[in-house]
Amino acid sequence: DIQMTQSPSSLSASVGDRVTITCRASQSISSYLNWYQQKPGKAPKLLIYAASSLQSGVPSRFSGSGSGTDFTLTISSLQPEDFATYYCQQSYSTLEITFGQGTRLEIK
Amino acid sequence: QLQLQESGPGLVKPSETLSLTCTVSGGSISSSSYYWGWIRQPPGKGLEWIGSIYYSGSTYYNPSLKSRVTISVDTSKNQFSLKLSSVTAADTAVYYCARMVRGVIRYWGQGTLVTVSS
Repeated sequence: DIQMTQSPSSLSASVGDRVTITCRASQSISSYLNWYQQKPGKAPKLLIYAASSLQSGVPSRFSGSGSGTDFTLTISSLQPEDFATYYCQQSYSTLEITFGQGTRLEIK
Repeated sequence: QLQLQESGPGLVKPSETLSLTCTVSGGSISSSSYYWGWIRQPPGKGLEWIGSIYYSGSTYYNPSLKSRVTISVDTSKNQFSLKLSSVTAADTAVYYCARMVRGVIRYWGQGTLVTVSS
């Protein structure tokens, strides 16, 4: 199976900061990489699909990049509502998806 | 608007079988475009895909859980179900049902907490 590794595991930042989260796949997954945001007690929400496509309704301060094995999620200017846990997920193996371990974004 | 709702017991005894159902509303489970899946999240931990099913009944399971998992679909009720046998405390988690398109999950249920305890 394809392993997904996120870094950092946790991150402290301030409102207005630019933040980058990294995800690495154990093998090439082309651009089959998705990003989700999860707030406490809620289901995850799709932010980015196919590495760089913004899901409808998601603010443009979120962006994704990368291909092959290395990917990044960037939040250009953190807003209070962005403090959450972020997960990457590969969909290269469509019928055996895997998630990264998550990155918890906390208020500094 | 598509909605998914998990239902089932919130408490299961060790060694017994966990059973959950996901009811889909606002769309047909029989659409050829979608797979339907289960994902779980132990308290304070990350997301784990359990398995997926197509409306025809084709199933795909996480290899680490395959020996204990059965996912089925009932198109007449617009539902799909999860059975996980021989549960232990390690199976305590929030269980989500979801709709997938080429592995991308846009729709999730709200999740249901299942605790394994005697």
